[in-house]
Amino acid sequence: DAGVTQSPTHLIKTRGQQVTLRCSPISGHKSVSWYQQVLGQGPQFIFQYYEKEERGRGNFPDRFSARQFPNYSSELNVNALLLGDSALYLCASSSDTYEQYFGPGTRLTVT
Amino acid sequence: GQSLEQPSEVTAVEGAIVQINCTYQTSGFYGLSWYQQHDGGAPTFLSYNALDGLEETGRFSSFLSRSDSYGYLLLQELQMKDSASYFCAVRDSNYQLIWGAGTKLIIKP
Repeated sequence: DAGVTQSPTHLIKTRGQQVTLRCSPISGHKSVSWYQQVLGQGPQFIFQYYEKEERGRGNFPDRFSARQFPNYSSELNVNALLLGDSALYLCASSSDTYEQYFGPGTRLTVT
Repeated sequence: GQSLEQPSEVTAVEGAIVQINCTYQTSGFYGLSWYQQHDGGAPTFLSYNALDGLEETGRFSSFLSRSDSYGYLLLQELQMKDSASYFCAVRDSNYQLIWGAGTKLIIKP
């Protein structure tokens, strides 16, 4: 079975630009969560979606938004990029249990 | 505010036992999880405790005391491949999974 997939793997953007990151969960998983991980720190929770509805939102500005599609894949959008948005963005899927399965992440660099 | 505290680094010898502690302060508590992350990799799930006590999964065990807001991960028979960062994480009442800053485990031969 395929695991969680994310695209793109790496991305370089300029300050002020917008970016869209994509995630496909494990087949059968209806919940997707997004995290931001800065080097040397733990992941920071951004969003959780379950059955296409937002279930939780972390302490991130409104420049961050997300959505979940009928096939349970998800997109994370970040507008007006700042240098501080440079990080590894992780997507995790779960079958609404405590165990989350992470994708390989998207490394975003903002210059 | 919400926080999870864990040591930044722990060093142990191959074949030994090591314990990584985690104390938490969160708004609501829906279980303590542990994840392993190798450099350049994604976190992988190790264990989960919702109730007080010890959970054992092979060489790894995890303990929780809700009255003390404390838990630990115990790794036995350490192997070089266990060198990684270990994170504790708590799900709070807003469905947020709050993570600690991670403990880097260094294993020496």
